Amino acid sequence: ILNVEQSPQSLHVQEGDSTNFTCSFPSSNFYALHWYRWETAKSPEALFVMTLNGDEKKKGRISATLNTKEGYSYLYIKGSQPEDSATYLCAFRNTDKLIFGTGTRLQVFP
Amino acid sequence: DAGVTQSPTHLIKTRGQHVTLRCSPISGHKSVSWYQQVLGQGPQFIFQYYEKEERGRGNFPDRFSARQFPNYSSELNVNALLLGDSALYLCASSLEPSRLYNEQFFGPGTRLTVL
Repeated sequence: ILNVEQSPQSLHVQEGDSTNFTCSFPSSNFYALHWYRWETAKSPEALFVMTLNGDEKKKGRISATLNTKEGYSYLYIKGSQPEDSATYLCAFRNTDKLIFGTGTRLQVFP
Repeated sequence: DAGVTQSPTHLIKTRGQHVTLRCSPISGHKSVSWYQQVLGQGPQFIFQYYEKEERGRGNFPDRFSARQFPNYSSELNVNALLLGDSALYLCASSLEPSRLYNEQFFGPGTRLTVL
């Protein structure tokens, strides 16, 4: 059974704090690792697709790293803002399907 | 450009009934995937269709079926509804499943409540 785990389950930070989350996934049969940002009542929004060991991706204040050999990815948010409040999902791509973790729920307080 | 659209937004059914959920992919996308998200869990893969053929199926009972039409839109059908089928059903579209950077774009989902 392929399992994707995310930690922490939830996080509360103050505006301006930097934060990071972890996604652990199987290190075999790796195709890609996806990160999504999901605000309540909206569609999950694609952040990054990462395929190569050592990949680093950045979009504004959000960045991600990938280690396929040990099976983990980190998502970093620099200087969190209230609008960053959302659930952050990672998904391990195995052939054609995505296997999701349960997400990290981030709340940023002004 | 319109994103992935799903209908209806919300649906209430009773046990034993049948339901049909609909999804229209982004223009130019030929693959549609369906996911079920139960509260507190991540989305679970149900089906993937590409060029009107089933490419993958998750661990769901035969009560769940789907199809893709010539215009690449898709329907998810669930028969003999159970209380446990209450969930958010998400549809995702992508260009082509076998591409390495195959990004899946999600719709807003259909919230199904089974009473």
